Amino acid sequence: DAGVIQSPRHEVTEMGQEVTLRCKPISGHDYLFWYRQTMMRGLELLIYFNNNVPIDDSGMPEDRFSAKMPNASFSTLKIQPSEPRDSAVYFCASSSRLAGVSTDTQYFGPGTRLTVL
Amino acid sequence: GQNIDQPTEMTATEGAIVQINCTYQTSGFNGLFWYQQHAGEAPTFLSYNVLDGLEEKGRFSSFLSRSKGYSYLLLKELQMKDSASYLCATPDSWGKLQFGAGTQVVVTP
Repeated sequence: DAGVIQSPRHEVTEMGQEVTLRCKPISGHDYLFWYRQTMMRGLELLIYFNNNVPIDDSGMPEDRFSAKMPNASFSTLKIQPSEPRDSAVYFCASSSRLAGVSTDTQYFGPGTRLTVL
Repeated sequence: GQNIDQPTEMTATEGAIVQINCTYQTSGFNGLFWYQQHAGEAPTFLSYNVLDGLEEKGRFSSFLSRSKGYSYLLLKELQMKDSASYLCATPDSWGKLQFGAGTQVVVTP
């Protein structure tokens, strides 16, 4: 399997622009997670989906952030408008079950390094 | 929250042993994960403990004490490539993984 695929790997944009991050989970995985990682706050869960349905978006920082999963093999995380404080590495991860239900772990994509100027 | 606590940084020499401790709140415990993250890369799974005791996987071992809310990751025969951040994580009652801030291990020649 190719693993979790994310694009782009790097994104530099200006404040106020719309940013769209993309993720393809591992085939057969029913859970998809979006994380954000910064030096200050570490790795934070933003939102997760089960069978393409958003289950918990309590980690989404504000209305400027939105996520969709139109089908089992594709998800997007959109920031509109972007701000400098959104600069971070955004990871997508997928798993076949939720952590704690089994030993199944989450597999992370390579991440998108976002810089908002 | 799970209030996961781990040291910020540890330094050790090649060939040595390093032990990374992790403490967490014990309510609603559903197992403990360790991930390794090299600079600029994604976290990768190392180990999962749900029962008390030591689990060994080659040079890496992970220990869990549920009653004490304590785990450690033991890295033996350190190699330069082991320089990385090591993240302790435990699921909350909803199954969402809560990560510690990570311990940066620096291996020196």
